[in-house]
Amino acid sequence: AQKITQTQPGMFVQEKEAVTLDCTYDTSDQSYGLFWYKQPSSGEMIFLIYQGSYDEQNATEGRYSLNFQKARKSANLVISASQLGDSAMYFCAIAGGYNKLIFGAGTRLAVHP
Amino acid sequence: GAGVSQTPSNKVTEKGKYVELRCDPISGHTALYWYRQSLGQGPEFLIYFQGTGAADDSGLPNDRFFAVRPEGSVSTLKIQRTERGDSAVYLCASSLSATAASGANVLTFGAGSRLTVL
Repeated sequence: AQKITQTQPGMFVQEKEAVTLDCTYDTSDQSYGLFWYKQPSSGEMIFLIYQGSYDEQNATEGRYSLNFQKARKSANLVISASQLGDSAMYFCAIAGGYNKLIFGAGTRLAVHP
Repeated sequence: GAGVSQTPSNKVTEKGKYVELRCDPISGHTALYWYRQSLGQGPEFLIYFQGTGAADDSGLPNDRFFAVRPEGSVSTLKIQRTERGDSAVYLCASSLSATAASGANVLTFGAGSRLTVL
């Protein structure tokens, strides 16, 4: 069984600052993938970044980076230079042998001007 | 189409009624997934299809829920004898395939169908 834990129900950050959203996971699979999705108030799920369990480098996509610590089973999302449009729910998810995503409960991020 | 299309966007029904929710995946995507998202929670896996067959339906809560994908493209989620607890947003997603997860095979989600059972 796979599980995602997101311990921060809500976070706020000042515009232009960096913020880290926490994600820990549990899995018995040797090969797995970790995903972060953004869900604005419109409800659409938007893919942000992916990290494979065998990737040696931390994933980066523009202002998003993933702080992957395999031994600690954590995959924290770092958003640099926050923008007002970053205000949304953020979900961490894990997929094992096939592409079935298991999501965490999410973190609501509020960016203040 | 360019994205995953779900209809209806909103459905209000009465307890005990039957509802169908439709999902039209991205053209060429062979894998299709249904999730349910209750208020304030993360999406919960229901079922996924690889082609026409349901490869994993372990998330369907009970036998009132059923999904089909007869031609390997459009899928319909069917809920019989709806209950107030079925109220949620039902999300559909598709991906190129259901093989191992990768950055090149991410799930693309639709906007969801909001179901309200009175």
